[in-house]
Amino acid sequence: SQKIEQNSEALNIQEGKTATLTCNYTNYSPAYLQWYRQDPGRGPVFLLLIRENEKEKRKERLKVTFDTTLKQSLFHITASQPADSATYLCALAPHTGNQFYFGTGTSLTVIP
Amino acid sequence: KAGVTQTPRYLIKTRGQQVTLSCSPISGHRSVSWYQQTPGQGLQFLFEYFSETQRNKGNFPGRFSGRQFSNSRSEMNVSTLELGDSALYLCASSTLAGIQETQYFGPGTRLLVL
Repeated sequence: SQKIEQNSEALNIQEGKTATLTCNYTNYSPAYLQWYRQDPGRGPVFLLLIRENEKEKRKERLKVTFDTTLKQSLFHITASQPADSATYLCALAPHTGNQFYFGTGTSLTVIP
Repeated sequence: KAGVTQTPRYLIKTRGQQVTLSCSPISGHRSVSWYQQTPGQGLQFLFEYFSETQRNKGNFPGRFSGRQFSNSRSEMNVSTLELGDSALYLCASSTLAGIQETQYFGPGTRLLVL
């Protein structure tokens, strides 16, 4: 069956450290993958997109990697800040079909 | 530009009732997608509308329906509500239809079915 798994439960890290979130998938062939941030009571906000032929993408303190052999994407936040505390979602867009498939998200807490 | 707006923000209904949720996309966006978000299942795709036509539908029963108006505003309807329909319903708009487009989400409507 198709599955998208993100870090189980929650992730707590100290301010200033690098947070690394994982998104593993099975039985999908994604054309590309997106990462979103969601704060309590709000809708997800798009952060980054990476295509299947790209290994890495950066935006300010954010970095995403995509390994189609391992079927995994890693999302890094460097020099993390308490304001980075939120739930982070990965979403796959497959080659066939016309919809996104979301993971259940990872709750990140950055401790001052 | 104003973001995606959804009304109402909160709703309490009882089993068997029906509900209509509304979504106004960002100005100029012609595609609207709807999602259901629950703690156990995460975000699940309901359907996508573009130019008043349903382009894609997720794996939900026929009790879930939607429509889009000529001004791109969209509504979704859930009939014969069940307890399991309690969720956060999110809509997202994009310039064009399709998975290549970046989606902009609204704040959601939180539905509680008693």
